[in-house]
Amino acid sequence: NAGVTQTPKFRILKIGQSMTLQCTQDMNHNYMYWYRQDPGMGLKLIYYSVGAGITDKGEVPNGYNVSRSTTEDFPLRLELAAPSQTSVYFCASSYGAGTNGGYTFGSGTRLTVV
Amino acid sequence: KQEVTQIPAALSVPEGENLVLNCSFTDSAIYNLQWFRQDPGKGLTSLLLIQSSQREQTSGRLNASLDKSSGRSTLYIAASQPGDSATYLCAVKGDYKLSFGAGTTVTVRA
Repeated sequence: NAGVTQTPKFRILKIGQSMTLQCTQDMNHNYMYWYRQDPGMGLKLIYYSVGAGITDKGEVPNGYNVSRSTTEDFPLRLELAAPSQTSVYFCASSYGAGTNGGYTFGSGTRLTVV
Repeated sequence: KQEVTQIPAALSVPEGENLVLNCSFTDSAIYNLQWFRQDPGKGLTSLLLIQSSQREQTSGRLNASLDKSSGRSTLYIAASQPGDSATYLCAVKGDYKLSFGAGTTVTVRA
């Protein structure tokens, strides 16, 4: 019963480099999310997906891209890393809108851009 | 836009004291409210989930209440222990996402 799995756990990037944060869930949830958490702040939504092939922007999408080719996987892509993207990134999943199910979170990816 | 506020931002209490953490939200059109615990450098652990039709939920020493009409929730932790030291996050579920408060950081002194 893995839940939501994120890789890597830690990463240091140089300015301008690119990388993909991986997220997979085994609960057959149709909704998946990427959040970022900055020190002393609440979690901010970057992108979300309501099912395979469907994605949409959240509150802070600039500098990121996502794709959702399967129900299980929802990778987050950083194309040109900037210091402002230094943060902790959390992936989460849930059943759909209009339902009362809670959210399950991954353990996070701590990213530093230098 | 949903705004979620948690007061206080930080709290320090002696062991054994009861904890009261507050959460307020601006839009009462929610499906549920969830309380999470986050330890330093770790992910989020779900503590309690209250449906919009419910008034409270209990799990062990934890009790959470919800007053949807006034946009408030309170998390009570009875007889606090040093192991309760963590950041507690409140989140409300709207149509497609959770909106989070910034959290209350709790320190329980032995």
